[in-house]
Amino acid sequence: QKEVEQNSGPLSVPEGAIASLNCTYSDRGSQSFFWYRQYSGKSPELIMSIYSNGDKEDGRFTAQLNKASQYVSLLIRDSQPSDSDTYLCAVYSNSGYALNFGKGTSLLVTP
Amino acid sequence: EPEVTQTPSHQVTQMGQEVILRCVPISNHLYFYWYRQILGQKVEFLVSFYNNEISEKSEIFDDQFSVERPDGSNFTLKIRSTKLEDSAMYFCATETSGRDVSTDTQYFGPGTRLTVL
Repeated sequence: QKEVEQNSGPLSVPEGAIASLNCTYSDRGSQSFFWYRQYSGKSPELIMSIYSNGDKEDGRFTAQLNKASQYVSLLIRDSQPSDSDTYLCAVYSNSGYALNFGKGTSLLVTP
Repeated sequence: EPEVTQTPSHQVTQMGQEVILRCVPISNHLYFYWYRQILGQKVEFLVSFYNNEISEKSEIFDDQFSVERPDGSNFTLKIRSTKLEDSAMYFCATETSGRDVSTDTQYFGPGTRLTVL
């Protein structure tokens, strides 16, 4: 069973702080990693993808990947109350056809 | 910006009835997927579809489920005889994909909420 693990939270950070969301995965052969955000009852919305070890920055968001340690993280700088949502980590299966999702981390940014 | 669309947004059905959920993929996308999310649980992969064939399916996707692309535009998920436990959000996702791990990205539709009574 290929697992993607996330702390369910809630993770509470004050406005303007850095929010750090973490994810570990069990399939060492995984190559593609994604962060989605999901508002309750709505569909996952892609934030960013990462495929290579290291950091990838997109605006206030930075994804970090460490394949040796099998973790991927998402940093949100200058967090805003509008960032409050559930953040889903997703990893492609070895076949490349299925996304395996974590249960998500609930983020609450307090004014 | 092109979007994946799904209909209906909400479907209520009686146990044992057949339902068909519809998805219109983004026009140049070649790979199509169905996922479901039971309330309070994680998003789960059901099936992937490419070139009019199933590429991969999960254990959830049993004989009660089928997919097809009947007219070259819509992508449908049929549940033949619904059960109470089929109540969930069903998401369609599509991907342009040349099977390049550096560019593959799935984009999700808004979902269909299926309620089985």
